[in-house]
Amino acid sequence: SQTIHQWPATLVQPVGSPLSLECTVEGTSNPNLYWYRQAAGRGLQLLFYSVGIGQISSEVPQNLSASRPQDRQFILSSKKLLLSDSGFYLCAWRGGTGAYNEQFFGPGTRLTVL
Amino acid sequence: AQSVTQLDSHVSVSEGTPVLLRCNYSSSYSPSLFWYVQHPNKGLQLLLKYTSAATLVKGINGFEAEFKKSETSFHLTKPSAHMSDAAEYFCVVSDMWGKLTFGQGTILTVHP
Repeated sequence: SQTIHQWPATLVQPVGSPLSLECTVEGTSNPNLYWYRQAAGRGLQLLFYSVGIGQISSEVPQNLSASRPQDRQFILSSKKLLLSDSGFYLCAWRGGTGAYNEQFFGPGTRLTVL
Repeated sequence: AQSVTQLDSHVSVSEGTPVLLRCNYSSSYSPSLFWYVQHPNKGLQLLLKYTSAATLVKGINGFEAEFKKSETSFHLTKPSAHMSDAAEYFCVVSDMWGKLTFGQGTILTVHP
């Protein structure tokens, strides 16, 4: 069966420090991968998605970047964190290209920028 | 373009009473629709999905939803609430390429 891992689970970082969040998927190949951010009291905002190694699409301009160095690895990064980067970050994967294929979510990373 | 509107930001019910979480959608084509549940500080779990095979969709934990094209609705229901149902629920629409648009969420509170 497929599983998705995210780490760390929680992170507290000072403003201006770098960030690296990692997501890995097991049990599937060539998944579509997604990064979402969930701010307090708000819905989910799609940040990035990837349909293959090295292929990244950004949904909103921001202080973050994403990379996909391996088929089942998706990394979210920042060179200098802002207070507004605080939130709950969720990674998701999806198999296939049909509209009916649901996304499966990881456990999330709670990021607090102080 | 597609959009989702969850009509209630908070719903409060007593244990053992019915649950109704309302969702309306807008889509340029025949949509795929999903309901996800999120418990505090957890990832999202799929409850059910509509894929045009049947308008009444049954999901996990006794939840079901009915797709009504004429009303552009996909309301989530459960006959009898349980304390463990307390969570946030998201109605989601997918475009033909699998890009999801999320509603703002409905927080369900269940009182003993």
